[in-house]
Amino acid sequence: EPEVTQTPSHQVTQMGQEVILRCVPISNHLYFYWYRQILGQKVEFLVSFYNNEISEKSEIFDDQFSVERPDGSNFTLKIRSTKLEDSAMYFCASSERANQETQYFGPGTRLLVL
Amino acid sequence: AQTVTQSQPEMSVQEAETVTLSCTYDTSESDYYLFWYKQPPSRQMILVIRQEAYKQQNATENRFSVNFQKAAKSFSLKISDSQLGDAAMYFCASLIYGNKLVFGAGTILRVKS
Repeated sequence: EPEVTQTPSHQVTQMGQEVILRCVPISNHLYFYWYRQILGQKVEFLVSFYNNEISEKSEIFDDQFSVERPDGSNFTLKIRSTKLEDSAMYFCASSERANQETQYFGPGTRLLVL
Repeated sequence: AQTVTQSQPEMSVQEAETVTLSCTYDTSESDYYLFWYKQPPSRQMILVIRQEAYKQQNATENRFSVNFQKAAKSFSLKISDSQLGDAAMYFCASLIYGNKLVFGAGTILRVKS
């Protein structure tokens, strides 16, 4: 069964460093998402992406964050200058269509900022 | 703003018995989707079941079923014949506007053998 994959599974970085989290969505899906979950808290939407553009973003997704689809298979989330509060689990998700379509999640990347 | 409320931080069930997890949500829209996701200790988010608001029939997936009460804005998950592998955090989520899933705070389900 097709699934969303994410790399790395764990990442430890120093405050102020840049990190890139990678995702490979399900191959026939066209809509891609990033969510994050700070330990012990609820899952929060960050951004949705379609046709090489951001379609929606939350207040959390400030100028420190960016997303890109550098090729036909990868979808990346970049955090330019990490802060301690960026420590969280980051989930990538994809869906075949937009608007009320089921989103399938990857296994997540656990980011720890020291 | 959309809100999803899960009022049970933690629930326990005996193996082979039935448990119901509660969820309420807030919207003035008539067309939307609701989901239950399971998050085991590995922290992966696994889709359990989904319900389209326009459908009157409650969704069912094997041992998992929902009780969708649209007027009451309630969407509970029933797990029958509970198994040890069902132990996890369960999140209720709504998809009302655009592509943004809004999650509840989660319910930890413990299964006792």
